[in-house]
Amino acid sequence: QVQLQESGPGLVKPSETLSLTCTVSGYSISSGYYWGWIRQPPGKGLEWIGSIYPSGSTYYNPSLKSRVTISVDTSKNQFSLKLNSVTAADTAVYYCARAYYYDSSGYIEYYFDYWGQGTLVTVSS
Amino acid sequence: SYVLTQPPSVSVAPGKTARVTCGGDNIGSKSVHWYQQKPGQAPVLVVYDDSDRPSGIPERFSGSNSGNTATLTISRVEAGDEAAYYCQVWDSSSDHPVFGGGTKLTVL
Repeated sequence: QVQLQESGPGLVKPSETLSLTCTVSGYSISSGYYWGWIRQPPGKGLEWIGSIYPSGSTYYNPSLKSRVTISVDTSKNQFSLKLNSVTAADTAVYYCARAYYYDSSGYIEYYFDYWGQGTLVTVSS
Repeated sequence: SYVLTQPPSVSVAPGKTARVTCGGDNIGSKSVHWYQQKPGQAPVLVVYDDSDRPSGIPERFSGSNSGNTATLTISRVEAGDEAAYYCQVWDSSSDHPVFGGGTKLTVL
């Protein structure tokens, strides 16, 4: 059974860097799939932040790209998120998830089949 | 960027059929996925690739996709189906996944 668990500080000061780690169990990150971060501000919808492949290739939401870094540590079966220069607008529940990707001549299936429980990060002084 | 439009809310009586729509430009040409999110919980994938169900998801959950609208259909609705439902696709023009705004399903 694939399980994901987010960890990291629940409170971050404005202008500082938000750092979260997702630990995966029941599946080796090195075996494939993409691994992503999604966030949800209180009372609002889901927003994809970015994803990474075990090789290290990344892609990010254009609206956050200038502030986001996602990395992977296959030896620890973890991947991480850093979001810098945070403001109150970055307050949200942050989820990590496994993403299935399949490209059939331009018809792309991409969905999140396993999710972590989520962790609330509050940006406040 | 590709936009997915969902009604904010849908209400249905127990035992009836609920339909949650997801609108997008020529969405019928894309692979659509649906997630269920109950309060305080992480989203759960209930339908992928328009109409396939992950293991463990009841047959009451089904999906369809054509033209400019994808639909999640929940048959014989139960109180436990009360949740927010999100559609999601891959936006090929910008190379990233996109979520709809979500629909709150209320079981009367």
